[in-house]
Amino acid sequence: DIQLTQSPSFLSASVGDRVTITCRASQGVSTYLAWYQQKPGKAPKLLIYAASTLQSGVPSRFSGSGSGTEFALTISGLQPDDSATYYCQQLNIYPRTFGQGTKVEVK
Amino acid sequence: QIQLVQSGAEVKKPGASVKVSCKASGYTFISFGISWVRQAPGQGLEWMGWINAYSGKTNYAQNLQGRVTMTTDTSTRTAYMELRGLRSDDTAVYYCARVQGYHPFDYWGQGTLVIVSS
Repeated sequence: DIQLTQSPSFLSASVGDRVTITCRASQGVSTYLAWYQQKPGKAPKLLIYAASTLQSGVPSRFSGSGSGTEFALTISGLQPDDSATYYCQQLNIYPRTFGQGTKVEVK
Repeated sequence: QIQLVQSGAEVKKPGASVKVSCKASGYTFISFGISWVRQAPGQGLEWMGWINAYSGKTNYAQNLQGRVTMTTDTSTRTAYMELRGLRSDDTAVYYCARVQGYHPFDYWGQGTLVIVSS
Protein backbone atom coordinates (compact mmCIF):
# COMPACT_ATOMS: atom_id res chain seq x y z
CA ASP A 1 0.00 0.00 0.00
CA ILE A 2 1.09 3.59 -0.60
CA GLN A 3 1.55 5.52 2.61
CA LEU A 4 0.85 9.25 2.62
CA THR A 5 2.50 11.35 5.32
CA GLN A 6 1.20 14.86 5.88
CA SER A 7 3.03 17.58 7.76
CA PRO A 8 2.44 19.29 9.98
CA SER A 9 -0.33 17.45 11.83
CA PHE A 10 -1.53 20.75 13.29
CA LEU A 11 -0.95 24.35 12.44
CA SER A 12 -2.20 27.61 13.83
CA ALA A 13 -2.02 30.76 11.77
CA SER A 14 -3.57 34.20 11.55
CA VAL A 15 -6.09 35.58 9.12
CA GLY A 16 -4.30 36.63 5.96
CA ASP A 17 -1.34 34.31 6.43
CA ARG A 18 -0.03 31.99 3.75
CA VAL A 19 0.12 28.40 4.91
CA THR A 20 1.43 25.26 3.27
CA ILE A 21 0.66 21.62 4.05
CA THR A 22 2.84 18.93 2.55
CA CYS A 23 2.00 15.37 1.62
CA ARG A 24 4.72 12.82 0.95
CA ALA A 25 3.95 9.51 -0.74
CA SER A 26 5.92 6.33 -0.03
CA GLN A 27 6.09 5.71 -3.77
CA GLY A 28 5.38 7.76 -6.84
CA VAL A 29 1.74 8.52 -7.68
CA SER A 30 2.39 10.78 -10.70
CA THR A 31 -0.16 13.59 -10.28
CA TYR A 32 -2.98 11.34 -9.09
CA LEU A 33 -3.39 13.22 -5.87
CA ALA A 34 -6.34 15.09 -4.39
CA TRP A 35 -6.85 17.37 -1.42
CA TYR A 36 -10.01 17.51 0.70
CA GLN A 37 -11.24 19.84 3.41
CA GLN A 38 -13.34 18.48 6.24
CA LYS A 39 -15.18 20.45 8.88
CA PRO A 40 -16.53 18.85 12.07
CA GLY A 41 -19.63 16.76 11.49
CA LYS A 42 -19.46 17.17 7.73
CA ALA A 43 -18.38 15.05 4.80
CA PRO A 44 -15.04 15.86 3.16
CA LYS A 45 -15.14 18.41 0.36
CA LEU A 46 -12.95 18.13 -2.72
CA LEU A 47 -10.59 21.11 -3.12
CA ILE A 48 -7.85 20.08 -5.54
CA TYR A 49 -7.43 17.14 -7.90
CA ALA A 50 -4.73 16.01 -10.31
CA ALA A 51 -2.33 17.60 -7.81
CA SER A 52 -2.97 21.17 -8.95
CA THR A 53 -6.43 21.51 -10.52
CA LEU A 54 -8.87 23.59 -8.51
CA GLN A 55 -12.30 22.02 -8.16
CA SER A 56 -15.12 24.19 -9.47
CA GLY A 57 -16.41 26.60 -6.87
CA VAL A 58 -13.36 26.42 -4.64
CA PRO A 59 -11.81 29.82 -3.81
CA SER A 60 -8.67 30.67 -5.73
CA ARG A 61 -6.70 31.17 -2.50
CA PHE A 62 -6.32 27.38 -2.50
CA SER A 63 -3.63 25.93 -4.73
CA GLY A 64 -1.86 22.62 -5.13
CA SER A 65 1.50 21.59 -6.50
CA GLY A 66 3.80 18.63 -6.86
CA SER A 67 4.17 15.33 -8.61
CA GLY A 68 5.68 11.94 -7.94
CA THR A 69 6.12 11.73 -4.17
CA GLU A 70 6.06 15.33 -2.95
CA PHE A 71 2.95 17.48 -2.90
CA ALA A 72 1.75 20.66 -1.27
CA LEU A 73 -1.50 22.45 -0.55
CA THR A 74 -1.16 26.20 -0.09
CA ILE A 75 -3.75 28.59 1.26
CA SER A 76 -2.84 32.16 0.33
CA GLY A 77 -4.65 34.64 2.53
CA LEU A 78 -6.07 32.41 5.25
CA GLN A 79 -9.70 33.09 6.13
CA PRO A 80 -11.67 32.19 9.28
CA ASP A 81 -13.76 29.78 7.19
CA ASP A 82 -10.61 27.77 6.40
CA SER A 83 -10.53 26.31 9.90
CA ALA A 84 -10.79 22.60 9.13
CA THR A 85 -8.85 19.39 8.73
CA TYR A 86 -7.21 18.80 5.37
CA TYR A 87 -6.48 15.40 3.85
CA CYS A 88 -4.50 14.32 0.83
CA GLN A 89 -5.45 11.16 -1.06
CA GLN A 90 -3.66 9.22 -3.77
CA LEU A 91 -5.72 7.94 -6.69
CA ASN A 92 -2.99 6.08 -8.53
CA ILE A 93 -3.45 2.58 -7.20
CA TYR A 94 -5.70 0.63 -4.87
CA PRO A 95 -6.17 1.00 -1.96
CA ARG A 96 -6.95 4.69 -2.38
CA THR A 97 -5.12 5.77 0.75
CA PHE A 98 -5.48 9.06 2.62
CA GLY A 99 -2.96 11.03 4.60
CA GLN A 100 -3.50 11.25 8.34
CA GLY A 101 -4.82 14.80 8.14
CA THR A 102 -3.68 18.31 9.05
CA LYS A 103 -5.81 20.36 11.38
CA VAL A 104 -5.69 24.08 10.60
CA GLU A 105 -6.66 26.58 13.26
CA VAL A 106 -7.24 30.19 12.28
CA LYS A 107 -6.34 32.54 15.12
CA GLN B 1 -28.20 18.46 -8.69
CA ILE B 2 -26.02 15.53 -7.83
CA GLN B 3 -26.81 14.00 -4.45
CA LEU B 4 -25.90 10.93 -2.47
CA VAL B 5 -28.30 10.32 0.40
CA GLN B 6 -27.39 7.73 2.98
CA SER B 7 -29.50 5.74 5.41
CA GLY B 8 -29.80 6.66 9.05
CA ALA B 9 -27.72 5.91 12.10
CA GLU B 10 -27.48 2.37 13.42
CA VAL B 11 -26.64 0.84 16.78
CA LYS B 12 -25.48 -2.75 16.64
CA LYS B 13 -24.18 -5.35 19.06
CA PRO B 14 -20.77 -6.93 18.59
CA GLY B 15 -20.92 -9.77 16.10
CA ALA B 16 -23.92 -8.37 14.26
CA SER B 17 -24.06 -7.04 10.71
CA VAL B 18 -24.98 -3.64 9.34
CA LYS B 19 -26.06 -2.63 5.85
CA VAL B 20 -25.78 1.03 4.89
CA SER B 21 -27.45 2.41 1.78
CA CYS B 22 -26.48 5.29 -0.48
CA LYS B 23 -29.10 6.54 -2.95
CA ALA B 24 -27.79 8.51 -5.91
CA SER B 25 -29.55 11.14 -7.97
CA GLY B 26 -28.71 13.79 -10.53
CA TYR B 27 -26.29 11.79 -12.68
CA THR B 28 -26.09 8.60 -14.72
CA PHE B 29 -25.62 6.06 -11.95
CA ILE B 30 -24.08 3.29 -14.05
CA SER B 31 -21.41 5.61 -15.49
CA PHE B 32 -19.66 5.91 -12.16
CA GLY B 33 -18.57 3.84 -9.22
CA ILE B 34 -19.14 4.25 -5.51
CA SER B 35 -16.42 4.17 -2.91
CA TRP B 36 -16.97 3.75 0.81
CA VAL B 37 -14.86 5.59 3.37
CA ARG B 38 -15.15 5.43 7.13
CA GLN B 39 -14.00 7.66 9.94
CA ALA B 40 -13.72 6.48 13.51
CA PRO B 41 -14.39 9.09 16.21
CA GLY B 42 -11.62 11.69 16.23
CA GLN B 43 -9.66 9.79 13.58
CA GLY B 44 -8.79 10.19 9.92
CA LEU B 45 -10.36 8.85 6.75
CA GLU B 46 -10.08 5.16 5.88
CA TRP B 47 -10.84 3.90 2.36
CA MET B 48 -12.93 0.74 2.58
CA GLY B 49 -13.46 -0.22 -1.03
CA TRP B 50 -15.05 0.51 -4.37
CA ILE B 51 -17.75 -0.90 -6.58
CA ASN B 52 -18.40 -0.32 -10.26
CA ALA B 53 -22.11 0.52 -10.37
CA TYR B 54 -22.54 -1.01 -13.82
CA SER B 55 -20.56 -4.25 -13.65
CA GLY B 56 -20.60 -4.84 -9.90
CA LYS B 57 -16.82 -5.29 -9.91
CA THR B 58 -15.37 -4.58 -6.49
CA ASN B 59 -12.07 -3.86 -4.82
CA TYR B 60 -11.95 -4.06 -1.03
CA ALA B 61 -9.42 -2.91 1.52
CA GLN B 62 -7.35 -5.88 2.58
CA ASN B 63 -8.12 -5.43 6.28
CA LEU B 64 -11.87 -5.76 5.56
CA GLN B 65 -11.71 -8.67 3.12
CA GLY B 66 -14.16 -11.35 4.14
CA ARG B 67 -16.27 -9.03 6.30
CA VAL B 68 -17.42 -6.40 3.79
CA THR B 69 -19.66 -6.69 0.75
CA MET B 70 -20.53 -3.82 -1.57
CA THR B 71 -23.43 -4.07 -3.97
CA THR B 72 -25.55 -1.85 -6.17
CA ASP B 73 -29.16 -1.91 -7.33
CA THR B 74 -29.26 -0.09 -10.65
CA SER B 75 -33.06 -0.07 -10.71
CA THR B 76 -33.16 2.13 -7.62
CA ARG B 77 -29.78 3.84 -8.17
CA THR B 78 -28.70 2.68 -4.73
CA ALA B 79 -25.39 1.37 -3.45
CA TYR B 80 -25.07 -0.76 -0.35
CA MET B 81 -22.25 -1.57 2.04
CA GLU B 82 -22.66 -4.51 4.38
CA LEU B 83 -20.18 -5.12 7.18
CA ARG B 84 -20.38 -8.36 9.16
CA GLY B 85 -18.90 -9.52 12.42
CA LEU B 86 -19.02 -6.03 13.87
CA ARG B 87 -16.50 -5.09 16.54
CA SER B 88 -16.26 -2.03 18.74
CA ASP B 89 -13.54 -0.60 16.51
CA ASP B 90 -16.00 -0.58 13.60
CA THR B 91 -17.77 2.30 15.35
CA ALA B 92 -17.46 5.11 12.84
CA VAL B 93 -19.18 7.41 10.40
CA TYR B 94 -19.47 5.65 7.06
CA TYR B 95 -19.48 7.73 3.88
CA CYS B 96 -20.23 6.85 0.29
CA ALA B 97 -18.66 8.89 -2.50
CA ARG B 98 -18.96 9.02 -6.27
CA VAL B 99 -15.88 7.92 -8.16
CA GLN B 100 -14.73 7.28 -11.72
CA GLY B 101 -11.43 5.72 -12.61
CA TYR B 102 -8.51 7.80 -11.42
CA HIS B 103 -10.75 10.75 -10.66
CA PRO B 104 -11.20 12.07 -7.14
CA PHE B 105 -14.22 11.60 -4.91
CA ASP B 106 -16.21 14.59 -6.06
CA TYR B 107 -19.58 14.01 -4.35
CA TRP B 108 -20.10 12.51 -0.93
CA GLY B 109 -23.04 11.29 1.08
CA GLN B 110 -23.84 12.94 4.37
CA GLY B 111 -22.46 10.04 6.38
CA THR B 112 -24.03 7.30 8.47
CA LEU B 113 -23.03 6.80 12.09
CA VAL B 114 -22.69 3.16 13.08
CA ILE B 115 -22.20 2.47 16.77
CA VAL B 116 -21.13 -0.99 17.87
CA SER B 117 -21.79 -1.52 21.55
CA SER B 118 -22.99 -4.26 23.85
